[in-house]
Formats: sequence, C-alpha cells, structure tokens
Amino acid sequence: AQKITQTQPGMFVQEKEAVTLDCTYDTSDPSYGLFWYKQPSSGEMIFLIYQGSYDQQNATEGRYSLNFQKARKSANLVISASQLGDSAMYFCAMRHLDDKIIFGKGTRLHILP
Amino acid sequence: EAGVVQSPRYKIIEKKQPVAFWCNPISGHNTLYWYRQNLGQGPELLIRYENEEAVDDSQLPKDRFSAERLKGVDSTLKIQPAELGDSAVYLCASSRGAENYGYTFGSGTRLTVV
Repeated sequence: AQKITQTQPGMFVQEKEAVTLDCTYDTSDPSYGLFWYKQPSSGEMIFLIYQGSYDQQNATEGRYSLNFQKARKSANLVISASQLGDSAMYFCAMRHLDDKIIFGKGTRLHILP
Repeated sequence: EAGVVQSPRYKIIEKKQPVAFWCNPISGHNTLYWYRQNLGQGPELLIRYENEEAVDDSQLPKDRFSAERLKGVDSTLKIQPAELGDSAVYLCASSRGAENYGYTFGSGTRLTVV
C-alpha cells in the first residue's frame, strides 16, 4: 500500500540552526515523485521542493534540500539556517503515475528566537 | 499569475444545512483537485478533475457530497446535508500536469458545522 510516514509530530529548533524533518514512504511503483509542502497558520499549502524517483542528485531549493535515500525509502527535508518564519506545519507527500498525491500527517516546526 | 482562488474563506453552518464551496484554478491548469484536511492531519483527496471530467472520485462520500466543474474551469463542491464530522478545511488545488510540478493550493475554506 502507498503510504507516507512522518514520525515527528512536533519539533523545537533554535533560530539559525539547521533542522531535519523525517519522512519515509512506501510504494511498489518504480516511478514516483516526492514533495514537501509548508502550511503556515494562514492555512495555505506552499510547495517547497520536489524529488523524482529516478533523480540521481538530491534536490535543493535555496535553504531547502531533500535528503533522498531510495533504498531506505526516505526523503527527509533539511532546512539550513532556520528562521522564525519557518515556523509552520510541514507535509511530506508522494505522487504516483495516476497523478494522485498522498500526504503524511505532518510535522509542526517551532523556531525559537 | 493569480493563484488558486477559493471562497468563502470561512463558513459556519448548522448541521443538516447545505453548504457550497467555490474554486477558481490557475489559468491553464487543466487538473483540479478537492482535498479535505481534518484538524492535525494531512490533506486527503476527495475528487480530481481533468478538464470537466471527474477522473477520480473514489474518496468522495457520494451520499452527501457532490462536485462539478462546468466548462473545465471553476469548480464547486457541495455538501447536503452537512454533519458535525464534516467540519474541516476544504482545499482546492490545480496543476498543469507536469511530473515535477507540485499542486498549487488555494487558501482553503474552513467549515465549522455546529
């Protein structure tokens, strides 16, 4: 069965430190895509980063990088030099060939001043 | 470009009443999705449209939920009658279908059924 697991319901991190949000996935499809979304208190889902299952290199977008370990079915999000504005819910998601995206339960990140 | 527009932003209704949500996707995005997000959970897909055709409605509770996307642009999601358990955020998203392109979500409609 296709599934996304985020084991950290909440995290507290000091401002300017790096933070890693964990995500593991389960799928039998050879081709899939992995996403991370940020959801601030306003409620909007903001697309952060994408990793394709056949991509050889880890995706990076500014301060965001995705640590993709295919054999372990892991797709952790790394945020470098965290900022107060990074406080939000973060969702890991997976997209299959049928175009359906499924989401994990999310991790609430709190950045401390 | 304008983002995905949803209205209303908030809605409070009594149980057994009908309610409707509206979504205007990004221009040129042929694929439209409705998701429901319960408190403390990730979004769950209700229905997906390709143009005006509903290609995946397997998770839509069809006894009380209905949706339409006339002319393949705007979409409405309706609940009739609403139940207390329908309280959630209803998110609309659209996509141009590129493989590495995440959906663009609207701000959602927060429904409270009392």
